Amino acid sequence: SQKIEQNSEALNIQEGKTATLTCNYTNYSPAYLQWYRQDPGRGPVFLLLIRENEKEKRKERLKVTFDTTLKQSLFHITASQPADSATYLCALDDSGTSYGKLTFGQGTILTVHP
Amino acid sequence: GAGVSQTPSNKVTEKGKYVELRCDPISGHTALYWYRQSLGQGPEFLIYFQGTGAADDSGLPNDRFFAVRPEGSVSTLKIQRTERGDSAVYLCASSLGVGGDTEAFFGQGTRLTVV
Repeated sequence: SQKIEQNSEALNIQEGKTATLTCNYTNYSPAYLQWYRQDPGRGPVFLLLIRENEKEKRKERLKVTFDTTLKQSLFHITASQPADSATYLCALDDSGTSYGKLTFGQGTILTVHP
Repeated sequence: GAGVSQTPSNKVTEKGKYVELRCDPISGHTALYWYRQSLGQGPEFLIYFQGTGAADDSGLPNDRFFAVRPEGSVSTLKIQRTERGDSAVYLCASSLGVGGDTEAFFGQGTRLTVV
């Protein structure tokens, strides 16, 4: 069966450290993988998209990798700040469609302690 | 408007009642999606509109759920004979284009509680 799993429900790190979140998938062949941030009581906010032919994508303190052999994406936040505390969701494009129907992981709650 | 707007923010209804949830997408966005998010889970796809037509309603859980977008802008998600298991946050998203490489803009959601 198809599955998307994000590492541990919760991740706690100290301010200034690098947070690394993992997204693993099985029985998908996504052309794209996206990462979103969600704050309590809010909808998800798009952060980064990476294509299947890209190994790495960066945006300011964020870095995403995509390994289609391992079927895994890693999401890094460097020099983390308490304001980075939120739930982070990975989502992949269901490659059976052509219109951006997303399948989400369950999310990882990141807490950055001052 | 500046973003995707959903109303109401919260809705409490009795089991068996009918509810309507409204979504105002970003102006000019032709693609509109409804998702449902239960506590501690990621959003789950319900239905996708391209313009006025429902291009994919494969995520609707059963025939109690229905959605419309009559003029290609505002969409309404309708739930008949609500059940306690329908309690969740219903999220609407819109995008300018289509394709998995298109950024989706989400509203803040409607929290539905069926008592």
